[in-house]
Order: sequence, then C-alpha cells, then structure tokens
Amino acid sequence: NAGVTQTPKFRVLKTGQSMTLLCAQDMNHEYMYWYRQDPGMGLRLIHYSVGEGTTAKGEVPDGYNVSRLKKQNFLLGLESAAPSQTSVYFCASSYSLDDGEQYFGPGTRLTVT
Amino acid sequence: AQRVTQPEKLLSVFKGAPVELKCNYSYSGSPELFWYVQYSRQRLQLLLRHISRESIKGFTADLNKGETSFHLKKPFAQEEDSAMYYCAPNTNAGKSTFGDGTTLTVKP
Repeated sequence: NAGVTQTPKFRVLKTGQSMTLLCAQDMNHEYMYWYRQDPGMGLRLIHYSVGEGTTAKGEVPDGYNVSRLKKQNFLLGLESAAPSQTSVYFCASSYSLDDGEQYFGPGTRLTVT
Repeated sequence: AQRVTQPEKLLSVFKGAPVELKCNYSYSGSPELFWYVQYSRQRLQLLLRHISRESIKGFTADLNKGETSFHLKKPFAQEEDSAMYYCAPNTNAGKSTFGDGTTLTVKP
C-alpha cells in the first residue's frame, strides 16, 4: 500500500496563478483532510470531506476550493494564488468516526511569489 | 470554542534527562486524544492515543480530565526523539484540532 500520496512535492507560483494539489489514498478511508502548516502556527484545517461527493470548510478555507469526486482522491485548488498561501500543505485521511487516527501524506511545499 | 494549547514552542533537554511536553485542551464532551510526531523531513505520524494506553518509543501520556491535560512524558530522552510533536484532540466527524506544536531538541 502506498498510503497517502500527494502531487506535486514542490511548486512555485506567481501571484494570481492557479493550481490544483492532488491527494490520493489507497486505504479505503472515508474521511480526508487538507491542512496547511506554517512556522509557529501548527497545522490548520483548510477543508475536509466525510465521504465521496461531500466537502466542508475547516478553520481557514478562504482562497481554497476542494472536490471529492472519487473516494480515493481529494483535490485542493487555488484559483488565484497569493503570497499568504505560501506554506506546506498536508493531506490526511482517516477510516471512521470510531478510529480517528489520521494518516498523512508527505506534504507539498508551495511558494507564491 | 474548542482549543488546544501547547505552551512550549521549543523545548531542549539533554540526552538521558526526563522530558514532558504539555498539552491542555478546551473541548466539550469527551474527545479522544492523540499525539503525533514529525521527524525531520518525514511526514506526520501517530505517536500514541490515550485510549490504547500504550507506551510507544518510551513515551506515555496521561489524560487528566480534571485539568483537561494530556501531557506527553518520557523518563529518559534520546537524541532520536528530536522532532516536532503535536497534540490533537479528536472530535466527532474524525476532525482533529492540532496544537501549534512543540519542537523538541535532545542534546548529546
């Protein structure tokens, strides 16, 4: 099992450009999450999904959109990138309500200039 | 509001010394509590969860409901314990609110 994978690993964008980060998991998990990690601020939840076709806002959703068209994939989109979105983005998944352990991807380092 | 506080951003100890990473939470209900660890250049991974009452890599964490704390402890720190540690209470819907993290450095 590959677990949770993220594409790409690194990306540099110019202000105003758009991009999509892809997260894939092969563990048949229902729940998927997108976080951003900034120095001194820990992990902050951007959006999450409790199942295929569903998404919900997390703590810091502004400037991002997500889609969960297939159970194994969770996409994070930046429509018009801003320097404030420079961060490391982590995707995670978990199996169920009863088992809350989250499995993380390796992260995507995004720089917006 | 649900909140997790890890009061120490940085913690430095010498090898062989005891270490305690503090975590305080403010949650309604009875959340399940986790500690995650991120070693240098690695992804976050679960270290331990309070419900299992396990000791992982010599670490233990005791849930104190009265103080709403879930401090992580190890009696004798090792250099390989140097990492970022996150406390994460888990609410329903499988969501975890992560603390800001504590960077632990174990000096030789």
